[in-house]
Amino acid sequence: DAGVIQSPRHEVTEMGQEVTLRCKPISGHNSLFWYRQTMMRGLELLIYFNNNVPIDDSGMPEDRFSAKMPNASFSTLKIQPSEPRDSAVYFCASNPNPGQGTPNYGYTFGSGTRLTVV
Amino acid sequence: DAKTTQPTSMDCAEGRAANLPCNHSTISGNEYVYWYRQIHSQGPQYIIHGLKNNETNEMASLIITEDRKSSTLILPHATLRDTAVYYCIVRVGGLTGGGNKLTFGTGTQLKVEL
Repeated sequence: DAGVIQSPRHEVTEMGQEVTLRCKPISGHNSLFWYRQTMMRGLELLIYFNNNVPIDDSGMPEDRFSAKMPNASFSTLKIQPSEPRDSAVYFCASNPNPGQGTPNYGYTFGSGTRLTVV
Repeated sequence: DAKTTQPTSMDCAEGRAANLPCNHSTISGNEYVYWYRQIHSQGPQYIIHGLKNNETNEMASLIITEDRKSSTLILPHATLRDTAVYYCIVRVGGLTGGGNKLTFGTGTQLKVEL
């Protein structure tokens, strides 16, 4: 089990540029979550998907942020245009749906993408 | 989800038990207590969860008071690698449930020292 895979691990970009973060959830997990972590605000849930459908995007800060899940094995979080205040660590997590037996309890998080916007 | 209150920081000597408290006085009957930890620069990691009975796994033990208004996470023999931020989260539902959000507070920074 490779776990939740995020790419890139680090991203440095200039203000105004488009940034795309990627996530591959654990196979068989039907729910996917995007979190953002900063020193000031801690861990914040941005959006989550269930069976590839966005369920709650109330945490997405602005229209500059968008997320997609075109299939069960891939999701993207895009920021366009990026701003310095978007600098943070972005985590992706996955979780199995009710009814699926699994020895891996709870949410599984990826290693995160550290985004720096200069 | 019910609100939780945790101390900001705690210290523990290596090899000793680390007891991390959490208050959740407004917990509802169908809300579970979950514990996660986050080691520096890594994603949060699930530790344990419980409803009303005490629970134990290979990582830790969870003691929930009879009135369920507080709980304690116990790391029986803390090591330097257990230095992390520990989050106590109260949430409706069981282990699975893609429709349930996981909301993190500020947690307790545990520092294990020699």
